[in-house]
Amino acid sequence: DAGVIQSPRHEVTEMGQEVTLRCKPISGHDYLFWYRQTMMRGLELLIYFNNNVPIDDSGMPEDRFSAKMPNASFSTLKIQPSEPRDSAVYFCASSLALAQETQYFGPGTRLLVL
Amino acid sequence: SQQGEEDPQALSIQEGENATMNCSYKTSINNLQWYRQNSGRGLVHLILIRSNEREKHSGRLRVTLDTSKKSSSLLITASRAADTASYFCATDQAGTALIFGKGTTLSVSS
Repeated sequence: DAGVIQSPRHEVTEMGQEVTLRCKPISGHDYLFWYRQTMMRGLELLIYFNNNVPIDDSGMPEDRFSAKMPNASFSTLKIQPSEPRDSAVYFCASSLALAQETQYFGPGTRLLVL
Repeated sequence: SQQGEEDPQALSIQEGENATMNCSYKTSINNLQWYRQNSGRGLVHLILIRSNEREKHSGRLRVTLDTSKKSSSLLITASRAADTASYFCATDQAGTALIFGKGTTLSVSS
């Protein structure tokens, strides 16, 4: 398996623009997680899905953030409109279980909002 | 909310020395995991220790868990330059997702 795939790897955009981050989890994994990493706040869980259903989105910072998982092999995280404080590295991870198994992380998307 | 806190925040050692990182947490856990993150990369799982285990080994890694003190330690023996990375502990309680600490940055110089 190729592991968790994320695209794009880097994104530079201007404030107010829509940003869409994409993730392909490992086949067979029932759980998909979206994280945001910054120096100040560390690694924050934004939302996770189980069998394509959003279970806990309490980490999503604002209504500007939304996530979908239309099928078992694809998820998106959308920011609309983007703001400079959204600049961070966004990771997608997948796992066979919620917490008692290994999480496999993608390479991340480095987002810079100008 | 942050559960695990690593200590120290940063550690610099010479190749061949041992590196010890600690993780403390606040509430009872089911499992504790350690992950490594190389610069510019995603996190990579190192080891999982369950709450009923006290010690686990994997190659040059040794992890201990003391549930009475709510703490864990990660020991890397005979460190190499390639061990330079950030190391994170992650904990879970029943029915919750993993919560990651802010990590220890390890620098191994040759």
